[in-house]
Amino acid sequence: NAGVTQTPKFQVLKTGQSMTLQCAQDMNHEYMSWYRQDPGMGLRLIHYSVGAGITDQGEVPNGYNVSRSTTEDFPLRLLSAAPSQTSGYFCASSAGASYGYTFGSGTRLTVV
Amino acid sequence: QQPVQSPQAVILREGEDAVINCSSSKALYSVHWYRQKHGEAPVFLMILLKGGEQKGHEKISASFNEKKQQSSLYLTASQLSYSGTYFCGTGSNSGYALNFGKGTSLLVTP
Repeated sequence: NAGVTQTPKFQVLKTGQSMTLQCAQDMNHEYMSWYRQDPGMGLRLIHYSVGAGITDQGEVPNGYNVSRSTTEDFPLRLLSAAPSQTSGYFCASSAGASYGYTFGSGTRLTVV
Repeated sequence: QQPVQSPQAVILREGEDAVINCSSSKALYSVHWYRQKHGEAPVFLMILLKGGEQKGHEKISASFNEKKQQSSLYLTASQLSYSGTYFCGTGSNSGYALNFGKGTSLLVTP
């Protein structure tokens, strides 16, 4: 099993560009989440989903969109990239509230 | 709301013990613990559930005080491989995702 797959691993964007960070899991997990990680700030929740067709906002959702059309995929869209979105991004999935999360390997995004 | 972790950083010699604390202002259903090594993804260590159930690591233990909304991670007889940043993640009674603390940096030296 591949677990949680994130692509790309690295990305450089210009201010104002849009892009999609991909996340796919093959464990049939219902719960999926996106986090951003900045130095000294820990992992902050952007958006999450508890199943196909169900998404909700986390702590820092501004500037990001998500959708969940299938159980496997949970892409994160940056609508108009800003330098403040320069960060590490992690996708994670879980079988439910009583189970641990499996993280993807992350995407390092730089916005110039 | 991010849970609060303490201490921010710990330096140990191999074989020494450490305790990392996590507290939340919200009623909790679960507390998770993860370890992240530099440049890598966080890795699940263990989960503690309301009601006392624990699932996870063989060599690392933790406690969960539901009334105080606090958890502690106990690292005993530390090994060099324990070095990394430890995060607690909390799941509330009404939520479906984890909120993580800012992390505790642990360095184990020979």
